Amino acid sequence: AQTVTQSQPEMSVQEAETVTLSCTYDTSENNYYLFWYKQPPSRQMILVIRQEAYKQQNATENRFSVNFQKAAKSFSLKISDSQLGDTAMYFCALQLRTYKYIFGTGTRLKVLA
Amino acid sequence: DTGVSQDPRHKITKRGQNVTFRCDPISEHNRLYWYRQTLGQGPEFLTYFQNEAQLEKSRLLSDRFSAERPKGSFSTLEIQRTEQGDSAMYLCASSLYPAPVEGNTIYFGEGSWLTVV
Repeated sequence: AQTVTQSQPEMSVQEAETVTLSCTYDTSENNYYLFWYKQPPSRQMILVIRQEAYKQQNATENRFSVNFQKAAKSFSLKISDSQLGDTAMYFCALQLRTYKYIFGTGTRLKVLA
Repeated sequence: DTGVSQDPRHKITKRGQNVTFRCDPISEHNRLYWYRQTLGQGPEFLTYFQNEAQLEKSRLLSDRFSAERPKGSFSTLEIQRTEQGDSAMYLCASSLYPAPVEGNTIYFGEGSWLTVV
């Protein structure tokens, strides 16, 4: 069975600091994508960053970067220089060959002024 | 704005009533997905379409649920004889397939909140 686990229900970080959100997953497939989505209080899910499993290089997108450890099936998100607008629920998602997404339960991140 | 739009955004209904949600995907996207999200949980896959064909349905989609995409553009999700357990946010998303650059990234709408009383 394919699963995505986010073990940190809530986290907080001071503005301008760095925070890392954890995600582990399980799948027997070799080809897949991993995503981090952000869901602000307005509730629309917004793509933060995407990683192809066949790429060894970790994806980066401005202040957002991932640490992808394929053997360990780990996919953590690092947010640098945290901003108040980063306050949101963050979901890790696994996309399989069938193009279906499997989401984790989310981490609620609060950035403190 | 040419993003995914959903209507209505909020719906309160009495148990046993039928409700219908509509989703308009991003115009050039040929795939459309429905997910359900309850409080404190991540979205759960319900079903998806490629053009007008419904290619997969989750076992979460009981026979009270039906989804259509008759012309391959907008989609409707109908819930018949609603139950309190149907209270959730119903998220629609769309994507372009194939999309080798984007890796089939899906783009979500703002969701339709359903409260069954």
